[in-house]
Amino acid sequence: QQQVKQSPQSLIVQKGGISIINCAYENTAFDYFPWYQQFPGKGPALLIAIRPDVSEKKEGRFTISFNKSAKQFSLHIMDSQPGDSATYFCAASETSGSRLTFGEGTQLTVNP
Amino acid sequence: GAVVSQHPSWVICKSGTSVKIECRSLDFQATTMFWYRQFPKQSLMLMATSNEGSKATYEQGVEKDKFLINHASLTLSTLTVTSAHPEDSSFYICTGERNTEAFFGQGTRLTVV
Repeated sequence: QQQVKQSPQSLIVQKGGISIINCAYENTAFDYFPWYQQFPGKGPALLIAIRPDVSEKKEGRFTISFNKSAKQFSLHIMDSQPGDSATYFCAASETSGSRLTFGEGTQLTVNP
Repeated sequence: GAVVSQHPSWVICKSGTSVKIECRSLDFQATTMFWYRQFPKQSLMLMATSNEGSKATYEQGVEKDKFLINHASLTLSTLTVTSAHPEDSSFYICTGERNTEAFFGQGTRLTVV
């Protein structure tokens, strides 16, 4: 599997702040880039996903920015809340929904 | 969203025994399911692709004789960890695909003692 690199490994933000997590990929055949949220002991849940034909996608407080030429994409969480405290994974696949390659994960802590 | 259910949620077994984990798509048919493994505080690694009615496809480095996958129906895939050892202790997660989106099961925590 091609690698997807994610940073930072951990992130602490204050309530109301912006959380930013970055990912970079190598495989130019990837055409589906989802972000997942995982709480301890639970399976990942899809937050938001993007395809390379757009540079940005926003859903509520969550925004993906995508830079195809740089092979990078990022997740922005606006107005971060303590309930957003979880582990976030970026992922990529050549066909949406299948054979996902995950980043290393980011442990987000939002302080009250 | 679609529902994928795993059973059991957690299991403890003795070294040398086998454990079966079930992954069911409750409200859709999944011709393909995927099995991932996640060690504590690490990422998810794809183990194998489960294909209904045919042999599973294993990722490099995954022992097919140790991790037996059966996908006998459009709603059920099973993963059997054979001759389990403590190093097999992990969080096992399956996904089913519907309308190009992957839906994750809640995961199974396996502890081998």
